[in-house]
Amino acid sequence: EAGVTQFPSHSVIEKGQTVTLRCDPISGHDNLYWYRRVMGKEIKFLLHFVKESKQDESGMPNNRFLAERTGGTYSTLKVQPAELEDSGVYFCASSPRPRWNGGETYNEQFFGPGTRLTVL
Amino acid sequence: DAKTTQPNSMESNEEEPVHLPCNHSTISGTDYIHWYRQLPSQGPEYVIHGLTSNVNNRMASLAIAEDRKSSTLILHRATLRDAAVYYCIHTGNQFYFGTGTSLTVIP
Repeated sequence: EAGVTQFPSHSVIEKGQTVTLRCDPISGHDNLYWYRRVMGKEIKFLLHFVKESKQDESGMPNNRFLAERTGGTYSTLKVQPAELEDSGVYFCASSPRPRWNGGETYNEQFFGPGTRLTVL
Repeated sequence: DAKTTQPNSMESNEEEPVHLPCNHSTISGTDYIHWYRQLPSQGPEYVIHGLTSNVNNRMASLAIAEDRKSSTLILHRATLRDAAVYYCIHTGNQFYFGTGTSLTVIP
């Protein structure tokens, strides 16, 4: 089974330009998450999709960031215009619908390798 | 944010057990305790999770305190491939990673 994939693996852009990151979740996973680690900081949650709907976007830093998941399959995260402080690694994760396991439900998240974004 | 407290770093000799502690005093009754790890240049990877009872899987064991305010991840025999940053998390869908514990395994 293919894991979560992210494209590109590395992107270098100038301040003020636009960049679009893509995430392909594991097939059949309803839940898709975006996280990021900016320089010297911890991994932070950005948002959570359930299928094509935004379940929680409380971690989105500002309106320069736009996430979409048309059709409930892959997702894109667009940064427009990019600023220097947006540099970091952007991770995508997916998880299946919580499963009943004889007494509990759980939703392990499967992470992609990340996209390293460098804004110059 | 659902904060956890972990030591910044730990060392272990290869083939010896490692106990990685975590305090999560703000945990709610329905929060799972998850442990993830991040190897260099990779995304975080699931290790184990639990709710109230201790758990074992092929990678590790998880010991959960009776009051659930702390837990310990146990790697029974550390290998060089276990060198990573280990994160203890106790939220629902919105994971809060914290600073994690950087584990160094000494050959």
